[in-house]
Amino acid sequence: QSALTQSASVSGSPGQSITISCTGTSSDVGSYNLVSWYQQHPGKAPKLMIYEGSKRPSGVSNRFSGSKSGNTASLTISGLQAEDEADYYCCSYAGSTTYVIFGGGTKLTVL
Amino acid sequence: QVQLQESGPGLVKPSETLSLTCAVSGYSISSGYYWGWIRQPPGKGLEWIGSAYHSGSTYYNPSLKSRVTISIDSSKNQFSLKLSSVTAADTAVYYCARSTSCYCCGCFFDYWGQGTLVTVSS
Repeated sequence: QSALTQSASVSGSPGQSITISCTGTSSDVGSYNLVSWYQQHPGKAPKLMIYEGSKRPSGVSNRFSGSKSGNTASLTISGLQAEDEADYYCCSYAGSTTYVIFGGGTKLTVL
Repeated sequence: QVQLQESGPGLVKPSETLSLTCAVSGYSISSGYYWGWIRQPPGKGLEWIGSAYHSGSTYYNPSLKSRVTISIDSSKNQFSLKLSSVTAADTAVYYCARSTSCYCCGCFFDYWGQGTLVTVSS
């Protein structure tokens, strides 16, 4: 099964809002509310930012929010800050055979 | 605080078996959760390799299933990855991570190791 589809890059200025999309199929994103999002700074391990589509772990800023419509999940970051510059990956449950699948990643640049 | 730490050879020869161990501290593996491996080739995205539960249940990426074994040693509070018949395409940073069940509890990776680079080369 192919990776979930994410745009390669997105950019925004400090204070603005941006949205990163993650498109799957009816076999993964569309069938389950089990999308998670990870932030990865260069040379670092990924960090969980959103789980079950829209829930934030303790300690994650409320500037980060998640949603889903059909086969596409989205991560929105409001009030962009320089520290938000990183790669972002979505991940979804994809059924009992494939189990888990990641997106290709989106590089966020804060201008 | 849950912590995970990968260890193993940084260089593996083609056709040989890659072996890594993940030591867990701050949480008992036998208490629950799934324990998995994710890799990231240089400059590329994340790829889930597989996950295991302390009871013995395992789930593997279908594209790697024939070459992967993940096992748990509860007595040492650690789990391991073996990937056989490696090629240069298996060169990557390998992460170990804790995850929740995809059947009841969210299906997300909440704690990660720092990652270890494994290069496949003769």
